[in-house]
Amino acid sequence: KQEVTQIPAALSVPEGENLVLNCSFTDSAIYNLQWFRQDPGKGLTSLLLIQSSQREQTSGRLNASLDKSSGRSTLYIAASQPGDSATYLCALLTGGGNKLTFGTGTQLKVEL
Amino acid sequence: DAGVIQSPRHEVTEMGQEVTLRCKPISGHDYLFWYRQTMMRGLELLIYFNNNVPIDDSGMPEDRFSAKMPNASFSTLKIQPSEPRDSAVYFCASSFFSGRANEQFFGPGTRLTVL
Repeated sequence: KQEVTQIPAALSVPEGENLVLNCSFTDSAIYNLQWFRQDPGKGLTSLLLIQSSQREQTSGRLNASLDKSSGRSTLYIAASQPGDSATYLCALLTGGGNKLTFGTGTQLKVEL
Repeated sequence: DAGVIQSPRHEVTEMGQEVTLRCKPISGHDYLFWYRQTMMRGLELLIYFNNNVPIDDSGMPEDRFSAKMPNASFSTLKIQPSEPRDSAVYFCASSFFSGRANEQFFGPGTRLTVL
């Protein structure tokens, strides 16, 4: 059974800092990995998707990497802003490419 | 496109009552998923459909839960009878099969409270 862990569980940083969120998984037989953002009381917003054959994806200030051999993914956020405050979830697509297994989430707070 | 639409956004009901949650996927998507999110267990997949056919319902907690997809633009998740431990946020998501991409898009969720 796929186990997905995110470290740290919570993170507080000053505005402008670059930061890295970590996602670890136990089964490398994945189709892809998605990073989501969830604001309090809201749904999930897809940020980046990395296919199993790819090593990284970039969107604006966000960069996600994938290392299947070590079972790790990182989400790099450059020049953090208060608007980046949210819970970030990684999720792996397995089981024939249809079942998402979610990580435990990292709650990020960017302070002025 | 309006994205995945869910209704109601909030539902408060009493134990024993029937609850029906509704979802309209993104037009053209051929997969639909129902998830449940709680503080204790995080996000869990309950069931998913492909072309309106249920493919995997192994995440459905018990027989009190049922889901249907009568057509490509509508799905329901029903709980009968409801219990306090069913209180959670229920999300619907949809995707279009495109090989290894299969990016899932989530609706805003229905927050269910069973008293």
